[in-house]
Amino acid sequence: NAGVMQNPRHLVRRRGQEARLRCSPMKGHSHVYWYRQLPEEGLKFMVYLQKENIIDESGMPKERFSAEFPKEGPSILRIQQVVRGDSAAYFCASSPGWTSNEKLFFGSGTQLSVL
Amino acid sequence: RKEVEQDPGPFNVPEGATVAFNCTYSNSASQSFFWYRQDCRKEPKLLMSVYSSGNEDGRFTAQLNRASQYISLLIRDSKLSDSATYLCVVKPSGGFGNEKLTFGTGTRLTIIP
Repeated sequence: NAGVMQNPRHLVRRRGQEARLRCSPMKGHSHVYWYRQLPEEGLKFMVYLQKENIIDESGMPKERFSAEFPKEGPSILRIQQVVRGDSAAYFCASSPGWTSNEKLFFGSGTQLSVL
Repeated sequence: RKEVEQDPGPFNVPEGATVAFNCTYSNSASQSFFWYRQDCRKEPKLLMSVYSSGNEDGRFTAQLNRASQYISLLIRDSKLSDSATYLCVVKPSGGFGNEKLTFGTGTRLTIIP
């Protein structure tokens, strides 16, 4: 029973390139959350998605960042024209649905390094 | 003021000792509270929820003081495997599911043999 799967585990990009981070939720989970952890800081909420819907994107930067969770396939967090300040660990979490308990299941994260 | 504040540590504690962490939160309407554990460069994992009546799970005891907006975690008889960063997490009022959990920056604990 696989947990939340994120790939790649490490991603290196040069300034101006695009970064695509993938997240496959646990089996049976239809809700996905993305969090970002900057060095020496706490996790910050970015976006909350359900299949084909963005529920809350209040934590997403207004420019260059987008997220989707299509009907088929993983959730994608896309960062266009990356800058050094985007270097961080990006964690995805999933939960079963609206009436789930508090427990979030986190993936192992993607460490993005921007050169 | 940060929404969730923790002493970053590090706390260096001998094996077998008792250690306590504290956390304060700024939103008095917050509904749910948790302690997560994060090992170096890995994903956070739920350690325990925190209830107003206080709750215990083996060597771990969590307390919530709503009046003071204060959460604590006590670890008794500490083990080497307890070395990690402990994250205080608060869920604000309203909303569905688990979105917008607010994480503290964490308290780093090292257990010394």
